[in-house]
Amino acid sequence: LAKTTQPISMDSYEGQEVNITCSHNNIATNDYITWYQQFPSQGPRFIIQGYKTKVTNEVASLFIPADRKSSTLSLPRVSLSDTAVYYCLVGDTDDMRFGAGTRLTVKP
Amino acid sequence: GAVVSQHPSRVICKSGTSVKIECRSLDFQATTMFWYRQFPKQSLMLMATSNEGSKATYEQGVEKDKFLINHASLTLSTLTVTSAHPEDSSFYICSARDQGDTGELFFGEGSRLTVL
Repeated sequence: LAKTTQPISMDSYEGQEVNITCSHNNIATNDYITWYQQFPSQGPRFIIQGYKTKVTNEVASLFIPADRKSSTLSLPRVSLSDTAVYYCLVGDTDDMRFGAGTRLTVKP
Repeated sequence: GAVVSQHPSRVICKSGTSVKIECRSLDFQATTMFWYRQFPKQSLMLMATSNEGSKATYEQGVEKDKFLINHASLTLSTLTVTSAHPEDSSFYICSARDQGDTGELFFGEGSRLTVL
């Protein structure tokens, strides 16, 4: 089980790029890295998933260094609606435990 | 994208009664579903892994006789909170994995249980 460490909270302003880093020093060879977003009283929503290097989709980018011991979720030009908790999950398909997450607050 | 539906979204019950929460995968078959509990301002805590046609695997500290999980079909898993007490009040969330998927989970909207 790859334990993850994220900052508890982050603040940003509208229009800025936000980078949230997750540490997972004991990631296993078969583990994928997945990021989820959660709004209050809702289930988490998938953002992005990667195994190595860089992955980009319409909402975010995920940067994974060669040693895979960390990953960085990059949110370009955040808006107020991006205020949420972001979770980094590292594991195989049968191990889906959540860490503490990062509470991102976007200010006007 | 795939949709996972939970019902009910909110439920209030009296202490000592049992409550059933359903989790359905609407457009895909899920051999594995996960049940989580989330208290205010806290992260999701995995309660159990539900496998279709077999007994659920419970996390340490989760009472299997209190939180009954049934996964009788590839599209439905249920969580029954038996003899509920106020401390069971929480936000319960399920997730399901598409049989053909490599790891992405689809989450339900969550069910808020309030035990009076």
